Amino acid sequence: NAGVTQTPKFRVLKTGQSMTLLCAQDMNHEYMYWYRQDPGMGLRLIHYSVGEGTTAKGEVPDGYNVSRLKKQNFLLGLESAAPSQTSVYFCASSSLLGGNSNIQYFGAGTRLSVL
Amino acid sequence: AQTVTQSQPEMSVQEAETVTLSCTYDTSESNYYLFWYKQPPSRQMILVIRQEAYKQQNATENRFSVNFQKAAKSFSLKISDSQLGDTAMYFCAQEANNDMRFGAGTRLTVKP
Repeated sequence: NAGVTQTPKFRVLKTGQSMTLLCAQDMNHEYMYWYRQDPGMGLRLIHYSVGEGTTAKGEVPDGYNVSRLKKQNFLLGLESAAPSQTSVYFCASSSLLGGNSNIQYFGAGTRLSVL
Repeated sequence: AQTVTQSQPEMSVQEAETVTLSCTYDTSESNYYLFWYKQPPSRQMILVIRQEAYKQQNATENRFSVNFQKAAKSFSLKISDSQLGDTAMYFCAQEANNDMRFGAGTRLTVKP
C-alpha cells in the first residue's frame, strides 16, 4: 500500500530552468494538495485540487502551476525556477467522505535546490 | 485569514515524563478541524491527532491527548509517558474549506 508517492525525491535546478513534480495517490482520494516547507516555518499551501480537472490557489501560489488530469495524479510545475523556490515540497491527499475525511496524508517530500 | 501560532520553538522532556505543547489559532470560520502532526528526521509528516471544532470532547489517541478550548482558540497537545521515539518536530494545524494552515513547529527532544 504505497499511499502518496512523490517523484523525484531530490532535484537541483539552475535559475530559469523548468521542472515538474509528480504526486500519485492510490487511496482514491478526491482532494490533493501541494505545500512547501521552508526552514523554521510550517508547511504553506501552494495549490490544491478538489477533483479531476479542477485546481485552486492556496496561500503561496505565485511562480507555480498545477494540473490534475487524472484523479490519482497531481502535478506541480515550475516554469522558470528562482532561488526563492528552494524548499522542500510536500504533496498530500484527503478524502471527502467517511470517518477519515479532512485528514491529509502526506508524501515523503521532494527537496529542491535552485542555484 | 487563518493563523496558527506555536510559541515554544523547542522543548525537552525526560523519558516517561509528560509534556504539553501549546498552540493557538485564529479563524473566522465556524466549521473547522484542528490537527497535530509529527515530523521526525525522516521528514515524513505523520498525523498524531485530530479534533473537530464542533465536538466539545477532547480527542485522545493512546498516549496523546488534546486540551481544546474553543472560546480561547487554544489547542494544546499532551504527550504522556514520553518515549525516545517521540523526538520530532510537532506542527499544529487548522483546516477549513480545504485551506490548511500550519504553525512554525515545536522541536521536542525526549532525553533518556
